[in-house]
Amino acid sequence: QVQLQESGPGLVKPSQTLSLTCTVSGGSVSGGFYWSWIRQLPGKGLEWIGYMSNNGSPFYNPSLESRVSISLDTSKNQFSLKLSSVTAADAAVYYCARGYCSSTSCYEYFQHWGQGTLVSVSS
Amino acid sequence: EIVLTQSPATLSLSPGERATLSCRASQSVSIYLAWYQQKPGQAPRLLIYETSNRATGIPARFSGSGSGTDFTLTIGSLEPEDFAVYFCQQRSNWPLTFGGGTNVEI
Repeated sequence: QVQLQESGPGLVKPSQTLSLTCTVSGGSVSGGFYWSWIRQLPGKGLEWIGYMSNNGSPFYNPSLESRVSISLDTSKNQFSLKLSSVTAADAAVYYCARGYCSSTSCYEYFQHWGQGTLVSVSS
Repeated sequence: EIVLTQSPATLSLSPGERATLSCRASQSVSIYLAWYQQKPGQAPRLLIYETSNRATGIPARFSGSGSGTDFTLTIGSLEPEDFAVYFCQQRSNWPLTFGGGTNVEI
């Protein structure tokens, strides 16, 4: 059973860079899935941040593209998120997630999720 | 960006009743829509993908239908554990987007 676990600072200062890591167990990050970061603003809905696609290319939400970077570390079986120049609007629960694959295809829907990590932005 | 609008915002039902949730897209997403369930303090759980396919391990009381801009998630007979928030998500166009959610409450 695939399990994902986010880690990183729970508090980031304004204008600094938010860095989170997702450690994957029970499966390989080089397995051809979509590896994604998704956030949930307090009391609100879900926002897709971006993913590393099943061919190894990153894709980002245009609203965040100038500030975001997602990378894979196959040696550690992890993938990471960096979001620069954070403001209070970036405070949220951040989830890492793996895309869903049926017996025939892989999709940009998310079946396996981490538990989420709350990130606050404050000086 | 495709906007997904879910209705109603809150659905008040009793166990055993049928729940019908709606998701409307601002432009056609074909069949490229999924549904998730989220309980307090938990990550979302994938229920339905590509409009009508149940994800692995999802009970048959959950079903999805629709195409284009109008989609429905039906819970045939509500179990106590089904009271939660439900989100739709499209993968037709980047960026991937989610609806605002429907809270199914007792």
